[in-house]
Amino acid sequence: RKEVEQDPGPFNVPEGATVAFNCTYSNSASQSFFWYRQDCRKEPKLLMSVYSSGNEDGRFTAQLNRASQYISLLIRDSKLSDSATYLCVVNMVQGGKLIFGQGTELSVKP
Amino acid sequence: EPEVTQTPSHQVTQMGQEVILRCVPISNHLYFYWYRQILGQKVEFLVSFYNNEISEKSEIFDDQFSVERPDGSNFTLKIRSTKLEDSAMYFCASTPADEQFFGPGTRLTVL
Repeated sequence: RKEVEQDPGPFNVPEGATVAFNCTYSNSASQSFFWYRQDCRKEPKLLMSVYSSGNEDGRFTAQLNRASQYISLLIRDSKLSDSATYLCVVNMVQGGKLIFGQGTELSVKP
Repeated sequence: EPEVTQTPSHQVTQMGQEVILRCVPISNHLYFYWYRQILGQKVEFLVSFYNNEISEKSEIFDDQFSVERPDGSNFTLKIRSTKLEDSAMYFCASTPADEQFFGPGTRLTVL
């Protein structure tokens, strides 16, 4: 089983749509959870950390379910500029290595 | 806003040659990392560095790889004898504690 598994994608959506990404992780001892975005041939950029209580940043909402080992990202009112690959990322200890999912590609069309 | 920088942006080398990839982490960060991403694949951890020593390394990080923090600002990755399969994007990252911030990467092409 992969350590971090994401929807394979790609997701093709119109502007203004709501899109949800799902992710599962295999190690129940995982401590920290993140969503990164990666534009083509660029570095991963931190989008948001994910907390058990859920957190929201503008149009982006992240949820964590530790019992199900499941992480989600919801993007509302999607923009053309949201087109990127979204990476689900976990780590085991503070300061430890990040474990990346394969990523889910999002393409927002006019 | 402070950021991680990396040089060069692109390095082309012949198989068997040594390469050194350079990074300047964010100045008050304590943990430093190298990751790589082969084209079309996921980002993979290579090595982490804390308190002037390697804290963890992956199976990829064999005897051909080494890291160094030669002064208070630079963090380098050396590949002693490059192989074709070392062709990838190499990203440096740093963190004060938990959230890691990545540099723009060095594209390494081994011919």
